[in-house]
Amino acid sequence: NAGVMQNPRHLVRRRGQEARLRCSPMKGHSHVYWYRQLPEEGLKFMVYLQKENIIDESGMPKERFSAEFPKEGPSILRIQQVVRGDSAAYFCASSPDRVSGNTIYFGEGSWLTVV
Amino acid sequence: GQNIDQPTEMTATEGAIVQINCTYQTSGFNGLFWYQQHAGEAPTFLSYNVLDGLEEKGRFSSFLSRSKGYSYLLLKELQMKDSASYLCAVRDSRDDKIIFGKGTRLHILP
Repeated sequence: NAGVMQNPRHLVRRRGQEARLRCSPMKGHSHVYWYRQLPEEGLKFMVYLQKENIIDESGMPKERFSAEFPKEGPSILRIQQVVRGDSAAYFCASSPDRVSGNTIYFGEGSWLTVV
Repeated sequence: GQNIDQPTEMTATEGAIVQINCTYQTSGFNGLFWYQQHAGEAPTFLSYNVLDGLEEKGRFSSFLSRSKGYSYLLLKELQMKDSASYLCAVRDSRDDKIIFGKGTRLHILP
């Protein structure tokens, strides 16, 4: 499967636990976007990364949320001390690079439920 | 900053034509995207416009006017499977960040 891979697809966490969401971009893609989507709402930009570099994190909450895209391995969105309001679908998308990428391709999403 | 507006919901009849509008304000513009999203699924790419004019792809067409900050997605010969949300998104030329509108939920009636 050459598409954007996200895991887990579904994750249940108790309040106060940590959630780690992983995203492997399409082969040859070096840029990753993370979006959050609440039920019945649009995609809200969180962070834009390339390998070993955060390009724009203006959509990330200042506390508890962090993202990385290491040289090797998937991009990870980490949510510490989760609260009920973090329950949402988290979508990852990838593109080839900043110059030539004329679209971004989405993964299937990770649905986080905080109980 | 950026602002993207599109209608919240629209209803159309199977076999008909529907036009979904999108207006945007952005400090720097480097392309406009349309995506389709069925409930509980990932968005799928429909079209990309960076120059003014109409791009046609089968039953779907997308139009862009950069001077007016306006785009529309035109869906012809509507089918029941076209019932979905349609997301308009704009790429900022300063940082390549792609920002989405809240989406338009399209309901198709038989």
